[in-house]
Amino acid sequence: QSVLTQPPSASGTPGQRVTISCSGSSSNIGSNYVYWYQQLPGTAPKLLIYRNNQRPSGVPDRFSGSKSGTSASLAISGLRSEDEADYYCAAWDDSLSAVVFGGGTKLTVL
Amino acid sequence: EVQLVESGGGLVQPGGSLRLSCAASGFTFSSYDMHWVRQATGKGLEWVSAIGTAGDTYYPGSVKGRFTISRENAKNSLYLQMNSLRAGDTAVYYCARVRGAAADLWYFDLWGRGTLVTVSS
Repeated sequence: QSVLTQPPSASGTPGQRVTISCSGSSSNIGSNYVYWYQQLPGTAPKLLIYRNNQRPSGVPDRFSGSKSGTSASLAISGLRSEDEADYYCAAWDDSLSAVVFGGGTKLTVL
Repeated sequence: EVQLVESGGGLVQPGGSLRLSCAASGFTFSSYDMHWVRQATGKGLEWVSAIGTAGDTYYPGSVKGRFTISRENAKNSLYLQMNSLRAGDTAVYYCARVRGAAADLWYFDLWGRGTLVTVSS
């Protein structure tokens, strides 16, 4: 059971906009930044969003992050086949004194 | 090239020990906090340990007292000594470079490809 809650799956067709949610509590998302990682099949995770809504260089602006209260969202616009991957949210948890992750969301591009 | 390369994984019996290594290249290793993150097959990510530039260490409760993280800056290397291994420790172990000046600001901006640890009799 992951500390942060994500839907196990999401899907969309090419060109669509999809959002992936991440729900936490006051000790993690509610008081700290949220980060998002993309894991393509058979590869290591890659940083996608940091500090709630910042994109590292090289990440397309089709990817955006937001946070409100104890929840966060990752939005992907103009969906492409190469976006098919697992997506994980993460945050620091003040109560656990640990980095915590969501269980991951598998995105399928139909 | 900026990269991290893990090694040392393999098959170990329950109760046994294993030492993982991570070789860093292409950046000033001594200037970064470094972490280990693991992923069981078909499962999500789990933070395993952290070490700061000054050698300060951090662990979640699931591995505290069994795992020890260390670094050797002269060799651009990160290590994870794992003792009293259990079946639940079976996973791919990734080393990761960290940004962020404090624990609540940590995030992983560079990952290795991982090394598989299997704990089984």
